[in-house]
Amino acid sequence: AQSVTQLGSHVSVSEGALVLLRCNYSSSVPPYLFWYVQYPNQGLQLLLKYTSAATLVKGINGFEAEFKKSETSFHLTKPSAHMSDAAEYFCAVTPSGGYQKVTFGTGTKLQVIP
Amino acid sequence: NAGVTQTPKFQVLKTGQSMTLQCAQDMNHNSMYWYRQDPGMGLRLIYYSASEGTTDKGEVPNGYNVSRLNKREFSLRLESAAPSQTSVYFCASGNRDAANYGYTFGSGTRLTVV
Repeated sequence: AQSVTQLGSHVSVSEGALVLLRCNYSSSVPPYLFWYVQYPNQGLQLLLKYTSAATLVKGINGFEAEFKKSETSFHLTKPSAHMSDAAEYFCAVTPSGGYQKVTFGTGTKLQVIP
Repeated sequence: NAGVTQTPKFQVLKTGQSMTLQCAQDMNHNSMYWYRQDPGMGLRLIYYSASEGTTDKGEVPNGYNVSRLNKREFSLRLESAAPSQTSVYFCASGNRDAANYGYTFGSGTRLTVV
């Protein structure tokens, strides 16, 4: 069984400040991990993914995440927040190897303050 | 544009009414999924279809049925709608390597049951 925990359902940052959204996972086998972003009234779109290659993963819109096995974490960061980053972010996990279902976290809403 | 198309976008039902949510993808994906999204609960899997001709229950299947009509289409049916089924419903698709590439989501159906 696998699960993800997103710490903080709401996060507020000032424009230009560091964005840090936390995700911890639990998986009985090596996981694949994802971050999705959801803008208001839209579906989810893939931001970045970790699939056992490089532990530091770069995604779209300047976001990146680092896989830390020792901490079972996959936190999402961006050095400088932009107003357009305001959205809800979901961490997701699936066991590696072949077809598997994906389990989503409960989401973190990011507010960017001008 | 290639992607996942959901219809309708909005629907209001009275308790006890039935309806079918439609989903079609044109990316030649094998797997299709139905999720519901509720505030503070993230996305929960209702049903999925790993390939044409197969369907399986997810985390919250009660009150729903699905049909994988062909490789492109995967519909979700509410036989007797209840207020607890008020939610935003998302269809997603992926391949066997969805674990590597992630899902593609539709834009959602916002359903209100009164």
